[in-house]
Amino acid sequence: GENVEQHPSTLSVQEGDSAVIKCTYSDSASNYFPWYKQELGKRPQLIIDIRSNVGEKKDQRIAVTLNKTAKHFSLHITETQPEDSAVYFCAARGGFNAGKSTFGDGTTLTVKP
Amino acid sequence: GAGVSQSPRYKVAKRGQDVALRCDPISGHVSLFWYQQALGQGPEFLTYFQNEAQLDKSGLPSDRFFAERPEGSVSTLKIQRTQQEDSAVYLCASSLEPTGLGEQYFGPGTRLTVT
Repeated sequence: GENVEQHPSTLSVQEGDSAVIKCTYSDSASNYFPWYKQELGKRPQLIIDIRSNVGEKKDQRIAVTLNKTAKHFSLHITETQPEDSAVYFCAARGGFNAGKSTFGDGTTLTVKP
Repeated sequence: GAGVSQSPRYKVAKRGQDVALRCDPISGHVSLFWYQQALGQGPEFLTYFQNEAQLDKSGLPSDRFFAERPEGSVSTLKIQRTQQEDSAVYLCASSLEPTGLGEQYFGPGTRLTVT
């Protein structure tokens, strides 16, 4: 089955700096890669996603890049703000088991004011 | 509009009891997913429905876990003879797309504590 590894597990940055979170996946048939933000005690919320026919996608301060050959994808947050502090999860989905998402273990991002 | 809702929000069960967790997806959403999220970890896939059909139940950890969605809308996750290792947050998500791809909207979760 699919295996998703996420790094780092914790990340602390100063307000205004950039943050990068990286994930690798094992199943080359996976074709959809969402990123979720989860605040303490809240539900995961989709912040950006990318499909395997696209190499990069950007939405204001957030961007995701995908390298299908290397089977890794990354989340980039620029000009970080304290409200960006949360746990971020990557996930991979698609292939034969299209409905099954495999999540990474999460990255706790702390943005210091 | 109304999002995905789950009930109860919190459930305490004694070991050996049966529990039933309910999910009300967004109206018109074809796909429905159940996940188990242990403390400090990412959600783990349990099962997936397309309308009333359970297309994938490969993530259910044992035959004590059962899910249904008889009319293609509300879903119930049932856990029989609960064990301490079942303690977790159970998340439900729904999606408009029938393929299983596309954005999933999560509910607030049910926190199950087995004592």
